[in-house]
Amino acid sequence: EVQLVESGGGLVQPGGSLRLSCAASGFIFSNYYMDWVRQAPGRGLEWVANIRQDGGDINYVDSVRGRFTISRDNAKSSLYLQMNSLRVEDTAVYYCIAATTFMGGRYYLDFWGQGTLVTVSS
Amino acid sequence: IQLTQSPSSLSASVGDRVTITCRASQGISSHVAWYQQKPGKAPDLLIYGASTLQSGVPSRFSGSGSGTDFTLTISSLQPEDFATYYCQHLNSSPITFGQGTRLEIK
Repeated sequence: EVQLVESGGGLVQPGGSLRLSCAASGFIFSNYYMDWVRQAPGRGLEWVANIRQDGGDINYVDSVRGRFTISRDNAKSSLYLQMNSLRVEDTAVYYCIAATTFMGGRYYLDFWGQGTLVTVSS
Repeated sequence: IQLTQSPSSLSASVGDRVTITCRASQGISSHVAWYQQKPGKAPDLLIYGASTLQSGVPSRFSGSGSGTDFTLTISSLQPEDFATYYCQHLNSSPITFGQGTRLEIK
């Protein structure tokens, strides 16, 4: 059974930092793209970042580029999101996702963790 | 690439046929997925590649379209289908989602 367990969320002041972690199990972690998606309270879904199997291709949404860093440790089957210079508008539930369904050259986001809440407030 | 879903909300009854549309601001081939999200839960993948049903998803769900216009159809609504639905494109980075369609019980 695929399991994705996020941790590291919490309350942080504007300008502060947090590091999210995602522990993966039940699949061969090193074989798949991994993504982070967030959802502000009462709002829709926003894709944040993804990382290729070997870490060689990384993509970000413009609103976090230069502040957030996605990384992975295939030996530990773990995904990370280092978040610096946090803003009030970064407040959201952050989901870790394994993109294991492949079609037409694209990896679709099919396994989602339960999410971890990040609250940026003074 | 922006995705615009319509309607933003919809009231329907059990047994109804429902269609949700997703329009892209530029062509995105068939690199589209649809998700269902219930309150307090992570989204579930329903459709990928615009029309391929994810394993375990009931056959009353179907997807179609290519280029800029896509649809998600539920052929006969069941009580468990009342939720919010999102389209998503994976044509290029950044990946984006539609704003969501909230499906409510009439």
